[in-house]
Amino acid sequence: QKEVEQDPGPLSVPEGAIVSLNCTYSNSAFQYFMWYRQYSRKGPELLMYTYSSGNKEDGRFTAQVDKSSKYISLFIRDSQPSDSATYLCAMTTDSWGKLQFGAGTQVVVTP
Amino acid sequence: EADIYQTPRYLVIGTGKKITLECSQTMGHDKMYWYQQDPGMELHLIHYSYGVNSTEKGDLSSESTVSRIRTEHFPLTLESARPSHTSQYLCASSAPTGLGTDTQYFGPGTRLTVL
Repeated sequence: QKEVEQDPGPLSVPEGAIVSLNCTYSNSAFQYFMWYRQYSRKGPELLMYTYSSGNKEDGRFTAQVDKSSKYISLFIRDSQPSDSATYLCAMTTDSWGKLQFGAGTQVVVTP
Repeated sequence: EADIYQTPRYLVIGTGKKITLECSQTMGHDKMYWYQQDPGMELHLIHYSYGVNSTEKGDLSSESTVSRIRTEHFPLTLESARPSHTSQYLCASSAPTGLGTDTQYFGPGTRLTVL
């Protein structure tokens, strides 16, 4: 069983819709959670990071962490075609920063 | 935001060739990483470095080697490339977030194809 599970998609939504992405994990020691966006043939780009449980909002993006359920989510409001990319969750147990990644969910936002 | 550079972006070579993938960063970050990424699969850490003259193997066994002679430079070398080495190689460096952990910033990647 993988430490981090993420539905590969593709997830297709119309422009303006809310995109909902999530990851589940098995290691309860994970404390730091990140979301990366990766465009085709590019490196991952950090979107958001959070510590422990709770919500964090940044513009159109909201990250949620539920440590009791070992479940994290990313919501994208008012989605745009430019949001079409693969979204990777990542997490780590410690301050060292060695990350465990999910396989990524491909998102397609259609005009 | 970190500036991470990788060259070449694309490389097609024959079996048995020696190759070096270059990675450099301009932010003075001590920690640097190499990942391997295959389509639809998660990123796998193959090497990392805490700083100059420090290198460690990652979670995924790799026949590649790395060196860290300068802070800004973290090249990866394959002495004899094989088709099984075909993959995307991503370099990253990290900086503290202020939340108690580092956050990693990635380069654009090198897509390697070994024929």
